[in-house]
Amino acid sequence: NAGVTQTPKFRILKIGQSMTLQCTQDMNHNYMYWYRQDPGMGLKLIYYSVGAGITDKGEVPNGYNVSRSTTEDFPLRLELAAPSQTSVYFCASSFRTSGGVVEQFFGPGTRLTVL
Amino acid sequence: DAKTTQPNSMESNEEEPVHLPCNHSTISGTDYIHWYRQLPSQGPEYVIHGLTSNVNNRMASLAIAEDRKSSTLILHRATLRDAAVYYCILNGGGSNYKLTFGKGTLLTVNP
Repeated sequence: NAGVTQTPKFRILKIGQSMTLQCTQDMNHNYMYWYRQDPGMGLKLIYYSVGAGITDKGEVPNGYNVSRSTTEDFPLRLELAAPSQTSVYFCASSFRTSGGVVEQFFGPGTRLTVL
Repeated sequence: DAKTTQPNSMESNEEEPVHLPCNHSTISGTDYIHWYRQLPSQGPEYVIHGLTSNVNNRMASLAIAEDRKSSTLILHRATLRDAAVYYCILNGGGSNYKLTFGKGTLLTVNP
């Protein structure tokens, strides 16, 4: 299994440009997440999904959009990029055990710079 | 979600045990205690979790206080590869599938 894969690894955007960060998992997990991590900080949840066709906002959703048309893919769309969106973006997926415990698996991240 | 408190940083020597503390005085009865770690330039990875009893796996041990208001992640013999940020996270299980990451503890391992 490849686990959680993200593309691209690095990207530089100009202010006002748009882009889509790709995320794919091959573990058949229902739950998927997008986080951002600013330097020296913990991860903040942007959006999450509990299954195909179902998405919901996390802690910092402004400026982002997501879709979940399949179990495997969970792309994150940035419209009108701003310098405040300069960050490292992590995608994750998870399963839930019979006892309700969640274990998340993370991708390698996308480092985005907006100039 | 209940809040956790961890030291900002800790230092250890290679091949010595490391005890990483976490305080969670407002933990609820259904909260699981999770530990994740983040190696430099990588995404976080799961380390261990527990509810009430101490837990061991191939990576680490988790010691949970009897009142569950604190816990300690134990690395039995630190290696240079264990240098990372360690996050202590509470999760209520059930329908709560989100994890809230704080700043964690930056562990430095000296050769």
